[in-house]
Amino acid sequence: RKEVEQDPGPFNVPEGATVAFNCTYSNSASQSFFWYRQDCRKEPKLLMSVYSSGNEDGRFTAQLNRASQYISLLIRDSKLSDSATYLCVVNISGGYQKVTFGIGTKLQVIP
Amino acid sequence: GAGVSQSPRYKVAKRGQDVALRCDPISGHVSLFWYQQALGQGPEFLTYFQNEAQLDKSGLPSDRFFAERPEGSVSTLKIQRTQQEDSAVYLCASSPYVQGAGANVLTFGAGSRLTVL
Repeated sequence: RKEVEQDPGPFNVPEGATVAFNCTYSNSASQSFFWYRQDCRKEPKLLMSVYSSGNEDGRFTAQLNRASQYISLLIRDSKLSDSATYLCVVNISGGYQKVTFGIGTKLQVIP
Repeated sequence: GAGVSQSPRYKVAKRGQDVALRCDPISGHVSLFWYQQALGQGPEFLTYFQNEAQLDKSGLPSDRFFAERPEGSVSTLKIQRTQQEDSAVYLCASSPYVQGAGANVLTFGAGSRLTVL
């Protein structure tokens, strides 16, 4: 089983729709969680960190479920500019900086 | 510099050639990572430096891959006797290090796209 698993998609959604992605991780000792966004042929960039209590940043909401070992990303009122690949990122050890990336979920927002 | 700088942006190598990829991290960033990203895949960890110390090289796919960061700033990833399967984007990322804070946010460079013919 991979350390971080995501549905690669693509998810094709109309503008204004709400879309959610899940990501599962295998190591229950994982401590830090992030969502990164990667545009086509560009480098990954941080979208948001994921906190235990859940957190929101504008139209984006991230949730963590430690019992089931998954994190989620919800995007409300999708914009064309949201089209990108969303990478789930997990850090396994608290004292060590290494993070593991999922394959990424591709989102295409259509007019 | 303001961001992570990588060079060259594009490299075409003939099979069997050696290549060197350079990463100039954000000034003052202690942690430096190299990742390999094949088409349609997520970034795969190669190696990690804390200052000049290479603390983890478990992701290097073979002994043809070698990385260094001799003065704790600029890093070079070297690939000897390149093979077609080495074709990928090589991403460098840096982050500040805060003791006991878990993983910090990574800032990536634009990557070096290697094509081996």
